[in-house]
Amino acid sequence: DIQMTQSPSSLSASVGDRVTITCRASQTISSYLNWYHQKPGKAPKLLIYGASTLQSGVPSRFSGSGSGTDFTLTISSLQPEDFATYYCQQSYSSPFTFGPGTKVDIK
Amino acid sequence: EVQVVESGGGLVKPGGSLRLSCVASGLTFSGYSMSWVRQAPGKGLEWVSSISSSTSYIYYADSVKGRFTISRDDAKNSLYLQMNSLRAEDTAVYYCARLRLHTSGSQDFDYWGQGTLVTVSS
Repeated sequence: DIQMTQSPSSLSASVGDRVTITCRASQTISSYLNWYHQKPGKAPKLLIYGASTLQSGVPSRFSGSGSGTDFTLTISSLQPEDFATYYCQQSYSSPFTFGPGTKVDIK
Repeated sequence: EVQVVESGGGLVKPGGSLRLSCVASGLTFSGYSMSWVRQAPGKGLEWVSSISSSTSYIYYADSVKGRFTISRDDAKNSLYLQMNSLRAEDTAVYYCARLRLHTSGSQDFDYWGQGTLVTVSS
């Protein structure tokens, strides 16, 4: 199985900050990497697919980059509604594995 | 409006069975693979099972293989998960999600339900 790791596991930031979350796969996954965020008590929501393509309706302050084993999610200017837990997920091979999550909370 | 609604969760004793259902509306159901993803209390997301649109391809996580069975009824826009021999470690919120396939070969879970809680405890 492909193992996914994320860093940091949590971070505190202020509204307007630029935030970067890193995801690493245990083997190459090309660009088969997705990003979701999840608010408490809610379902995950797809933000980025194929490593860098913004899902329809997702604000342009979200961006993704990377290929192979190393990937990055960037929020250019953190908004109040962005405080959530962020997960990466690989779709290169079954089982589709998720990273452990990065919790973004208010500083 | 897109709606994905899971049901069937509840409290069950270890060794017991439960059948989860998921009904989708406002989105294309047939022609897409569908999946179950679970989340134990306070933990991360774990993919459980997927079924292709034709039902030709069915996959399970090792943790549930031999105990869980996924199925679908496109006429009812419905997805099911039959869970047998339940264990305490199966306690989780179970989400139904559509698995979208892109021409690039990339896949993602683009629509999710709100989840149904399964608690396995004596």
